[in-house]
Amino acid sequence: AQKITQTQPGMFVQEKEAVTLDCTYDTSDQSYGLFWYKQPSSGEMIFLIYQGSYDEQNATEGRYSLNFQKARKSANLVISASQLGDSAMYFCATPSGTSYGKLTFGQGTILTVHP
Amino acid sequence: GAGVSQSPSNKVTEKGKDVELRCDPISGHTALYWYRQSLGQGLEFLIYFQGNSAPDKSGLPSDRFSAERTGGSVSTLTIQRTQQEDSAVYLCASSAPGGGDSPYNEQFFGPGTRLTVL
Repeated sequence: AQKITQTQPGMFVQEKEAVTLDCTYDTSDQSYGLFWYKQPSSGEMIFLIYQGSYDEQNATEGRYSLNFQKARKSANLVISASQLGDSAMYFCATPSGTSYGKLTFGQGTILTVHP
Repeated sequence: GAGVSQSPSNKVTEKGKDVELRCDPISGHTALYWYRQSLGQGLEFLIYFQGNSAPDKSGLPSDRFSAERTGGSVSTLTIQRTQQEDSAVYLCASSAPGGGDSPYNEQFFGPGTRLTVL
């Protein structure tokens, strides 16, 4: 079974600075993926970035990048140049073994960006 | 294009009543998922449908919960004899058929239905 751990209940960052949100995972699958989603106060879940276990390079999407360390089983999200609109809950998630896998989510991290 | 839609956005019901929550996935998406988000339990998987295959019901918390997906599109999650612990936001998501660079398909989420059981 998959397990995702996000150890930071809350994080604070100054606007325009970078912040790292931690995620560790535990899976018995040989091939797996890691997703990050953002959930603003409005409640919608917004896909941010994906990393596959066999991807050799860390994934990047605009200001979002994934610091993927397979040996440590960590897939930390790095947000560069934080903006006030980045204030939200962030979830790390991993699917089950199939390509349509149901997602197992971490507990989430609330990020607050200060002006 | 249109995203995943859910209705109603809010539902208040009395303990013991049945409720139905509806999800309209993105057109062409073959996989549909239901999740529940509550303060005490975080985000939990409930059930998922993939094409014409039998649904994966492994996340349903009790036999009071059921879901169906008609014609491979719209899905209804039904909760019978609601209890106060059923109060949560129920999220629906859908994903596209396989293909592309990623072996895993991004799930697109709807806005959720906030269920309150009094």
